[in-house]
Amino acid sequence: GAGVSQSPSNKVTEKGKDVELRCDPISGHTALYWYRQSLGQGLEFLIYFQGNSAPDKSGLPSDRFSAERTGGSVSTLTIQRTQQEDSAVYLCASSLAPGQLYEQYFGPGTRLTVT
Amino acid sequence: GESVGLHLPTLSVQEGDNSIINCAYSNSASDYFIWYKQESGKGPQFIIDIRSNMDKRQGQRVTVLLNKTVKHLSLQIAATQPGDSAVYFCAETYMGATNKLIFGTGTLLAVQP
Repeated sequence: GAGVSQSPSNKVTEKGKDVELRCDPISGHTALYWYRQSLGQGLEFLIYFQGNSAPDKSGLPSDRFSAERTGGSVSTLTIQRTQQEDSAVYLCASSLAPGQLYEQYFGPGTRLTVT
Repeated sequence: GESVGLHLPTLSVQEGDNSIINCAYSNSASDYFIWYKQESGKGPQFIIDIRSNMDKRQGQRVTVLLNKTVKHLSLQIAATQPGDSAVYFCAETYMGATNKLIFGTGTLLAVQP
């Protein structure tokens, strides 16, 4: 079946503009995660959604970052007033359910460049 | 996802040799560990996992070793192949962490034919 998909694959934006990044998880997966991968660094957790529960936003770096998940499926990560330090690859992952027993499947990522 | 290559530790091996990739983890409460492989332009892909009640786990051509005393994890790849060339990340998590993963910085494995 189809894996996790993300769009766009690449996004170049000017400093100060808002951007929206989209994630389509694997059908039937109830848990969805966003991570950020900066150059020379590992992946950094941003936010986690599970069903209708309140999301775990503990990894969002500032209030310019927000995310939503509509209908328990597609998720959008929004970055307002982008800064150059926001340049990174943004990765989405989904799993069948929360918890360690369930593997997280990653999408190919969106490469964001803020000029 | 892009492989993050320029500033990563690099391990260069000859095809057919065994590779050992090391990782130090930070949280003594972590009880579950995963190795991921990330090829250029792709997201991380699960390789093998291990729980803290184990010291060793074997998969197909891969073995993960866990030393909780020194908080060290290693991934051994037997008979390394050109297709194994990628960035390898270890990740840790613990019960109650909503399964969010804490990743290491990664190691670039370069397999020479």
